Amino acid sequence: DAGVIQSPRHEVTEMGQEVTLRCKPISGHDYLFWYRQTMMRGLELLIYFNNNVPIDDSGMPEDRFSAKMPNASFSTLKIQPSEPRDSAVYFCASSFSGYEAFFGQGTRLTVV
Amino acid sequence: GENVEQHPSTLSVQEGDSAVIKCTYSDSASNYFPWYKQELGKRPQLIIDIRSNVGEKKDQRIAVTLNKTAKHFSLHITETQPEDSAVYFCAASTQPVNAGKSTFGDGTTLTVKP
Repeated sequence: DAGVIQSPRHEVTEMGQEVTLRCKPISGHDYLFWYRQTMMRGLELLIYFNNNVPIDDSGMPEDRFSAKMPNASFSTLKIQPSEPRDSAVYFCASSFSGYEAFFGQGTRLTVV
Repeated sequence: GENVEQHPSTLSVQEGDSAVIKCTYSDSASNYFPWYKQELGKRPQLIIDIRSNVGEKKDQRIAVTLNKTAKHFSLHITETQPEDSAVYFCAASTQPVNAGKSTFGDGTTLTVKP
């Protein structure tokens, strides 16, 4: 397996634009997580899914953030509209039964 | 909810010395404690984990100890090497009730000087 695959690796967008981050988890994993990493706030769990169902989205900062998992092999995190303070590295991770999390390479988002 | 505190935030050691990073957690129901290593510009990767039914686990130069009574756990790296330089994160979660919902510490930046 190629591991967790995220796209794009880098995204630069203007404030107010919509941003969509994509993730393909490891086949057979039943949990999928979206994390945000910044120097100020560290590694934050935004939302996670179990068997494609959102379990806990209490970490999603605002209504501007939304996430979907239409099937076991694909998830998106959308920010609309984007703001400069959303600039961060966004990681997707997957795991089997909620134990070891395998992280993707991350998407570095810059909102100008 | 769970709160995980990690110390120190930065640690500098000489090559060959040992390094110890400590974490405390607040939720007595937490029973799974992974440690992740993140090299500069890369993704976090699991290096070792421990479950609450054991007090210690070792893998070559890395060991983790758990004190459930005191609610703290520690990462021990012996014979440190320059390639051990990275940010290390501890985490805690409650399996299976809140499976997957790991709370991370703020990280420790370890620098191993050659």
